[in-house]
Amino acid sequence: KNQVEQSPQSLIILEGKNCTLQCNYTVSPFSNLRWYKQDTGRGPVSLTIMTFSENTKSNGRYTATLDADTKQSSLHITASQLSDSASYICVVSGSTGGFKTIFGAGTRLFVKA
Amino acid sequence: DVKVTQSSRYLVKRTGEKVFLECVQDMDHENMFWYRQDPGLGLRLIYFSYDVKMKEKGDIPEGYSVSREKKERFSLILESASTNQTSMYLCASSFGGSGSRNTGELFFGEGSRLTVL
Repeated sequence: KNQVEQSPQSLIILEGKNCTLQCNYTVSPFSNLRWYKQDTGRGPVSLTIMTFSENTKSNGRYTATLDADTKQSSLHITASQLSDSASYICVVSGSTGGFKTIFGAGTRLFVKA
Repeated sequence: DVKVTQSSRYLVKRTGEKVFLECVQDMDHENMFWYRQDPGLGLRLIYFSYDVKMKEKGDIPEGYSVSREKKERFSLILESASTNQTSMYLCASSFGGSGSRNTGELFFGEGSRLTVL
């Protein structure tokens, strides 16, 4: 069964600290993996997209890694800011076009001052 | 910038009422989707459409229908709303076809929070 599991479910960190969110998946065949940020009450916004051949991609203070052999991805946030407080959703597609797309339940990150 | 606009951010309806949720995108995307999002669960696909007048059932289509009369507009319809349809509804769109623009990236609207009493 195609699944995407994220951990931790929620995380509280102090402003300025780094953190890493995890995503394990069993989706096969694999096409791409995306990380989205969803602010409370808003729609998700794409942070990074990685295909099978990519193992790291950065977007400002966000760095995503992908190990397609172990089917694991991580999202590392550097020097966290209060505005990083949001849910981070790992999304894995089995084919392009979004038709076979599995969403993780998300990690809820709280950044405290 | 891609813009996906959902007509209502917040709605409160009564059980048995008919509910329309509208979604419009301005990027000429072929594919459009309706998801619902509930606490502790990932987004679940209700219906999607890959062309005008085309629709396909997603994972949880029961109790919903959709309409895509124009390429830019995708409507979700709850024929007779029930309390278990209280949820956040998210519309998304993406490029289709086999071209390089089809990266699979979904562009989401701001969401419509529906409460059914």
